[in-house]
Amino acid sequence: DAGVIQSPRHEVTEMGQEVTLRCKPISGHNSLFWYRQTMMRGLELLIYFNNNVPIDDSGMPEDRFSAKMPNASFSTLKIQPSEPRDSAVYFCASSFGRGTTNEKLFFGSGTQLSVL
Amino acid sequence: RKEVEQDPGPFNVPEGATVAFNCTYSNSASQSFFWYRQDCRKEPKLLMSVYSSGNEDGRFTAQLNRASQYISLLIRDSKLSDSATYLCVVNRPDSGAGSYQLTFGKGTKLSVIP
Repeated sequence: DAGVIQSPRHEVTEMGQEVTLRCKPISGHNSLFWYRQTMMRGLELLIYFNNNVPIDDSGMPEDRFSAKMPNASFSTLKIQPSEPRDSAVYFCASSFGRGTTNEKLFFGSGTQLSVL
Repeated sequence: RKEVEQDPGPFNVPEGATVAFNCTYSNSASQSFFWYRQDCRKEPKLLMSVYSSGNEDGRFTAQLNRASQYISLLIRDSKLSDSATYLCVVNRPDSGAGSYQLTFGKGTKLSVIP
């Protein structure tokens, strides 16, 4: 299996531009998570999908952020308009199950986002 | 109190040393606990789950103290390849919104020195 695939690996953009991050989860996994990681705040859960349905988006910082999962094999995280404080590494992760005592997350390689 | 707290380190230890990391969590209803490892500029990967009775995987031993809401990771005979950041992870109980969340600590950085 190829694992969780994220694109792009690096994104440099200017403030105010739209940014779209992409994720392909592991085939057969039914839960997908978007995390953001910064030095100051560590890993923060932004949103969580189960069977393509958004279950918890309480971590999405504000209306500039949106996420979709149109099918079981693809998800996007969009930031519009982007701001310098959005600069971070964004990870997508997937798992099978809905939260069990043995839940294991598989992470993608992340997207390093820099907003100038 | 933060949901999951860890000593950020760094811990600089010589090869062969034994090192221990601690982690505290705030939600007494938490049921699942894990240690993840994150190498520099890489994604986190599951190192091991933490069971109530304590568990061991080779040189790694994880323990849980529910009364003190405390998790530990012990690494024996440290190797250079153990250098990484170790993330304490707690599965927050369902808040009623139908969601499970894994809350990550900020991690403890370990450097094993030759």
